[in-house]
Amino acid sequence: DTAVSQTPKYLVTQMGNDKSIKCEQNLGHDTMYWYKQDSKKFLKIMFSYNNKELIINETVPNRFSPKSPDKAHLNLHINSLELGDSAVYFCASSQDRGGREHNEQFFGPGTRLTVL
Amino acid sequence: ILNVEQSPQSLHVQEGDSTNFTCSFPSSNFYALHWYRWETAKSPEALFVMTLNGDEKKKGRISATLNTKEGYSYLYIKGSQPEDSATYLCAFTYNQGGKLIFGQGTELSVKP
Repeated sequence: DTAVSQTPKYLVTQMGNDKSIKCEQNLGHDTMYWYKQDSKKFLKIMFSYNNKELIINETVPNRFSPKSPDKAHLNLHINSLELGDSAVYFCASSQDRGGREHNEQFFGPGTRLTVL
Repeated sequence: ILNVEQSPQSLHVQEGDSTNFTCSFPSSNFYALHWYRWETAKSPEALFVMTLNGDEKKKGRISATLNTKEGYSYLYIKGSQPEDSATYLCAFTYNQGGKLIFGQGTELSVKP
């Protein structure tokens, strides 16, 4: 059973298109995240939701909009895709209850987005 | 600006060698320090979450120590095996809510 799943795994699209990446976790976690792996392979936080409420919103263009229909899902919608959006996007989740030693994050397999 | 620095960037060792990496992080407003193991074409997998100064954690041949006063953590691998080849990431968080600030990772390659 996959704990954190993302779809699609690969996404190739044209500049200017609108696309969504879906993320689901079956761990019962309260908090979910989106990370972008940049060209230097750094993982950088984009957004975080706790129980469907936005708690972290880093300096990300407005074209990126997260949506959390329930606490098990956090989808990422990207409008007007640009070449620079090409990257690997990772979803993650954490429990965030029971003390700070229990907020390790569980990552999804990543979605490789290529904008042509 | 909160930075997490890891060294070395890459490391090539022979099977059986023991090795260690360093993670440096801001020593103020410390909440937790995470270590992750990231194999190629897979997703990062948590190794340790460390919270107290002087913490030492161990999982099999891998162990880690934490010094929050001076802002560093060491990860040790005893008797490296080819399957240990991966990128080892550390990440610092300064508050609850889980915003992790990642280092660039140490890429370990273990040759048989």
